Amino acid sequence: DTGVSQNPRHKITKRGQNVTFRCDPISEHNRLYWYRQTLGQGPEFLTYFQNEAQLEKSRLLSDRFSAERPKGSFSTLEIQRTEQGDSAMYLCASSRTGGASYEQYFGPGTRLTVT
Amino acid sequence: DAKTTQPNSMESNEEEPVHLPCNHSTISGTDYIHWYRQLPSQGPEYVIHGLTSNVNNRMASLAIAEDRKSSTLILHRATLRDAAVYYCIPYNNNDMRFGAGTRLTVKP
Repeated sequence: DTGVSQNPRHKITKRGQNVTFRCDPISEHNRLYWYRQTLGQGPEFLTYFQNEAQLEKSRLLSDRFSAERPKGSFSTLEIQRTEQGDSAMYLCASSRTGGASYEQYFGPGTRLTVT
Repeated sequence: DAKTTQPNSMESNEEEPVHLPCNHSTISGTDYIHWYRQLPSQGPEYVIHGLTSNVNNRMASLAIAEDRKSSTLILHRATLRDAAVYYCIPYNNNDMRFGAGTRLTVKP
């Protein structure tokens, strides 16, 4: 068990640029989640996948955001035309399967700064 | 979605027990009660979860009220490494909704 990994760990970009983050979940985990966390707040749910299917998206996920998990393994989160309000920590988590009896394992996050 | 109420902050002395309370009076019958903690500059870390019965693991104990409207996370002997923000989350099947949590400070 190597844990959930995220890349890059830090990203600085200029407003209007596109950015893409990658998440590699624990290998046997079917569920993958994306969260966003701003300073001083708890993480906010963005979206989740069951294998390759994206099953739920938060209203926070505007049309500038898109997430994929093409083969049911790693996932990418892309933000197009970044805005300063997108500056946050983007967290990925995975769990063995669906159901509240299973815990989520979080990665270290990708910190995005939009200048 | 169930709403939670936790103290903004708590302090403890090292090697003493800590009881972190959480009220979740609107919890549904199928919600599990999950606790996570987040150390500075890290992603959240799973601590413990339960449905109705009290639960113990190597990190902590979880005491769940009989009516399930509240729960208490118990750290039996706080260490400096336990200083973190602790989140109590009623969770059913999909999105996990974090509140502001309780910031625990452990004094040597």
